Amino acid sequence: NFMLTQPHSVSESPGKTVTISCTRSSGRIASNYVQWFQQRPGSSPRTVIYEDDQRPSGVPDRFSGSIDRSSNSASLTISGLKTEDEADYYCLSYDSSIQGVFGGGTKLTVL
Amino acid sequence: EVQLLESGGGLVQPGGSLRLSCTASGFTFYSYAMNWVRRAPGKGLEWVSVISDSGGSTYYADSVKGRFTVSRDNSKNTLYLQVNSLRAEDTAIYYCAKGNLGQLDYWGQGTLVTVSS
Repeated sequence: NFMLTQPHSVSESPGKTVTISCTRSSGRIASNYVQWFQQRPGSSPRTVIYEDDQRPSGVPDRFSGSIDRSSNSASLTISGLKTEDEADYYCLSYDSSIQGVFGGGTKLTVL
Repeated sequence: EVQLLESGGGLVQPGGSLRLSCTASGFTFYSYAMNWVRRAPGKGLEWVSVISDSGGSTYYADSVKGRFTVSRDNSKNTLYLQVNSLRAEDTAIYYCAKGNLGQLDYWGQGTLVTVSS
């Protein structure tokens, strides 16, 4: 199995842009879709990106996803940060044996 | 409106069993794969299992393989997770989520499983 590595925490000011990375330890990042989820304290996870870079309806276009084959990583970028974006963010991918793997999560602080 | 409602959690002793349920509405349940994901206290999200739309294919995380069994009843729009041989480290909120890996879209509110003597 592979691992997905995320920064433990990031912080940025309201109105700014932040990028959270998710690096795959083995196997190609482009081999399987990457998703991103937001989880606020006491709430269920919310899907913010699916299929690498697709945004579900209802998710603001301030959220965008991408993959970088050269660094074997995926990224979630949130622009125009709002205090309501403060949450834990997780990436998820899977392998050919159909086992899901989450990243360790990144705590986003908007201050 | 898509709704997923988990139930069946509770306090159980080590070595015990529970059956978790996830009742779905607002979409054609039999057309979608379904997943179980958990979050232990102070830890991150952990993928547990996925079952295909027909129920014919199931997959598990190594940490639960042989102890947990996922199933579904498409006539009742319900997903199940039978959890056996429970350990303290299985203590978590268990969520069901709709869709294939890479395409999860909706999540339930979760049901809490506490394993303690």
